[in-house]
Amino acid sequence: DQQVKQNSPSLSVQEGRISILNCDYTNSMFDYFLWYKKYPAEGPTFLISISSIKDKNEDGRFTVFLNKSAKHLSLHIVPSQPGDSAVYFCAASSFSGGYNKLIFGAGTRLAVHP
Amino acid sequence: KAGVTQTPRYLIKTRGQQVTLSCSPISGHRSVSWYQQTPGQGLQFLFEYFSETQRNKGNFPGRFSGRQFSNSRSEMNVSTLELGDSALYLCASSPGGRRTEAFFGQGTRLTVV
Repeated sequence: DQQVKQNSPSLSVQEGRISILNCDYTNSMFDYFLWYKKYPAEGPTFLISISSIKDKNEDGRFTVFLNKSAKHLSLHIVPSQPGDSAVYFCAASSFSGGYNKLIFGAGTRLAVHP
Repeated sequence: KAGVTQTPRYLIKTRGQQVTLSCSPISGHRSVSWYQQTPGQGLQFLFEYFSETQRNKGNFPGRFSGRQFSNSRSEMNVSTLELGDSALYLCASSPGGRRTEAFFGQGTRLTVV
């Protein structure tokens, strides 16, 4: 049962344009959402997060949007740079029993080309 | 502040053997989680330890086990290795409170032949 889904396995974007990565979830108990970026042969790196009480969080070129009614979140990267080429994982968590458990999506491979 | 350290980085084992992977979390972090990454499967949650206690466990067979020591360092053990256990095993640490992001190590690449 995939509670967090990233339906696009890959995305190709031209340098300077906007990259939009999407993520859907099914569990309405999730209250905190995160995006991680992963380069080959490295562990995932935390990028940006958003609490369920917000609908937008911005950090430099990265903005995450949350639509709770649609159970959908997206990561916008503007402008996209070649160094952004990596696999992006969406993750969701719920605070239950005194701790968080992160559930990850399958990832979207972003390629930013000149 | 040192990051999450996983050892070894690479490992080749034969089917049927067992393996132990090690993870040293960020200083002060009490929660350590383990994930398995295989192509196309994302990060599959194995288990999480907090203050030497397993708090949560994913849907993996009993061949996968772990433990955490008093200094928060954690080990993961896989017994009777199968070819399908070949994967990148990632460890993540966090302080353990509410809404804290997890910080990952570089992972251990396990190949079972």
